[in-house]
Amino acid sequence: QVQLVESGGGVVQPGRSLRLSCAASGFIFRSNGMHWVRQAPGKGLEWVAVIWYDGSKTNYADSVRGRFTISRDNAKNTLYLQMNSLRAEDTAVYYCLRYNINTFDYWGQGTLVAVSS
Amino acid sequence: QSVLTQPPSVSAAPGQKVTISCSGSSSSIENNYVSWFQHVPGTAPKLLIYDNNKRPSGIPDRFSGSKSGTSATLGITGLQTGDEADYYCGTWDSSLSAGVFGGGTKLTVL
Repeated sequence: QVQLVESGGGVVQPGRSLRLSCAASGFIFRSNGMHWVRQAPGKGLEWVAVIWYDGSKTNYADSVRGRFTISRDNAKNTLYLQMNSLRAEDTAVYYCLRYNINTFDYWGQGTLVAVSS
Repeated sequence: QSVLTQPPSVSAAPGQKVTISCSGSSSSIENNYVSWFQHVPGTAPKLLIYDNNKRPSGIPDRFSGSKSGTSATLGITGLQTGDEADYYCGTWDSSLSAGVFGGGTKLTVL
């Protein structure tokens, strides 16, 4: 069965960096676009970034563009989110999602990132 | 502020029906497929509806979706206490080349 397992979250000071990983299994990882979505405490879902199935294209929400980088290693079935210059407002649970035929059909359990001094 | 607009909350009694609206634009809902997700805090969101009105296997037919123009609607019939959760609409925005979500609607089954 499809599984997405995020890791790498934690407490980090403002201005520092963190890299999230998402290990995928149960499907042909290189065939699907992948996304990151986050949920800040008490807030709704916010789309963060997308990467095409082959890594050829990426795009970002305005709130993270220039600070976050999405990437993937299809040989390792792993999705990444490099987060630099972190701010308090980046505090959230981060989910990785599989995009499959017009929808986000599988979500990971999420990993918590807390930006605090 | 979310790109898609949903009511913050809805409520109804067990056994009743409820609808949740989702309003977008021509670049989002009107020209792309809409999905709906159920999110119980502390768990991963679950896909309820995709391609505007299709249900993944395992999702009961109490859940339905529809779309008209720049708006979409989720319907839930025969409400159960286990349906209490946050519900989100989501789609692709062709103008932004980005995923977009509604702000979420909290369903309370009284």
